[in-house]
Amino acid sequence: EAAVTQSPRNKVTVTGGNVTLSCRQTNSHNYMYWYRQDTGHGLRLIHYSYGAGNLQIGDVPDGYKATRTTQEDFFLLLELASPSQTSLYFCASSAGQNYAEQFFGPGTRLTVL
Amino acid sequence: KTQVEQSPQSLVVRQGENCVLQCNYSVTPDNHLRWFKQDTGKGLVSLTVLVHENDKTSNGRYSATLDKDAKHSTLHITATLLDDTATYICVVGDRGSALGRLHFGAGTQLIVIP
Repeated sequence: EAAVTQSPRNKVTVTGGNVTLSCRQTNSHNYMYWYRQDTGHGLRLIHYSYGAGNLQIGDVPDGYKATRTTQEDFFLLLELASPSQTSLYFCASSAGQNYAEQFFGPGTRLTVL
Repeated sequence: KTQVEQSPQSLVVRQGENCVLQCNYSVTPDNHLRWFKQDTGKGLVSLTVLVHENDKTSNGRYSATLDKDAKHSTLHITATLLDDTATYICVVGDRGSALGRLHFGAGTQLIVIP
């Protein structure tokens, strides 16, 4: 069974719309991450968390909020979606120590019209 | 400024051929380097991690090298299969802990044809 799952897998919304992307991990990892992937760019870190209730700002946080409700669940919120947020979003988890591997979910493709 | 550059941007090889993917970076400090495989529409899957100066790793038909002095890594794929068609992403970690950042390359798109 997949250890990192994301929902929905595809989402279309309109400019100004409200979107929540969900991520759940069953790895018992403390660290969870949200990235966006755009053509011609490497993955860019939006927000991350090292435990329930914790939130850390990533490199491209503008326009995004996040919330970590449990060790397993991490949500990404777009409250006023804009076309520039059309992207492929990935969630990942890791144990966090040393060069621990990050395990990625399958991604959510978001289109903002 | 892009700190991890991968080349070539795309590559087409015939099944059974070998190929080499390059990764040059300017990330400092450079704690470790990891290669991922990303199938179309899927998440990233780790192939190997290199940590030490002049590290070499092997994982089946995948082998990788790291030269920290030159800030350069290569990923070799031997006897390619159609299932090797994917994007290969080089990632450099600037710390040995989760407090560090991962710096992602844009990837090399490999297409293996019959």
